[in-house]
Amino acid sequence: RKEVEQDPGPFNVPEGATVAFNCTYSNSASQSFFWYRQDCRKEPKLLMSVYSSGNEDGRFTAQLNRASQYISLLIRDSKLSDSATYLCVVKRPLGDQGGKLIFGQGTELSVKP
Amino acid sequence: EAQVTQNPRYLITVTGKKLTVTCSQNMNHEYMSWYRQDPGLGLRQIYYSMNVEVTDKGDVPEGYKVSRKEKRNFPLILESPSPNQTSLYFCASSSESGQLIGGYTFGSGTRLTVV
Repeated sequence: RKEVEQDPGPFNVPEGATVAFNCTYSNSASQSFFWYRQDCRKEPKLLMSVYSSGNEDGRFTAQLNRASQYISLLIRDSKLSDSATYLCVVKRPLGDQGGKLIFGQGTELSVKP
Repeated sequence: EAQVTQNPRYLITVTGKKLTVTCSQNMNHEYMSWYRQDPGLGLRQIYYSMNVEVTDKGDVPEGYKVSRKEKRNFPLILESPSPNQTSLYFCASSSESGQLIGGYTFGSGTRLTVV
């Protein structure tokens, strides 16, 4: 079983739609959680951190459920420019291989006009 | 501009011919790491370095070497490349505080093909 699992998609949605991505992780000692965005053949970039209380950044809302080991990302009013692959990322404790980031495979989103 | 610079961006080489992919960051970051990205497997860590002269294996270190003689540079060395090392490689760096918030800065990637 992969340490971080995501639905690979692709998710094909029309402009203006609301889309939700889910992610589960298996290591209960995981310390921190993030969503990264990766455009085709380019480097991953940090989109947002994910907190237990839930957090919002404009049209993006991230949620974490530590008990269920589940992370989500909600995108409202999707734009063409949101088309990308969204990577769920989990950070191990610093004492575990330097607190490395574990990446999910990514969920591909395609927003159509 | 704060950045991680990888070179080359694209490389086609033959089996067994030693090569080095360079990585340099200008942010005085302590932590640096190499990942490879393959379809269906996502990003997997090859090696990482917590600081100068401190390196350690990641999940897929076989066939790779690294060194960290200076803080800014973290080259990836393939002593005898094989076709299964054909992949997209990313170098990443982070400060100690940046690590806590997942603030890794990635280089633009190196697409390596070994024939």
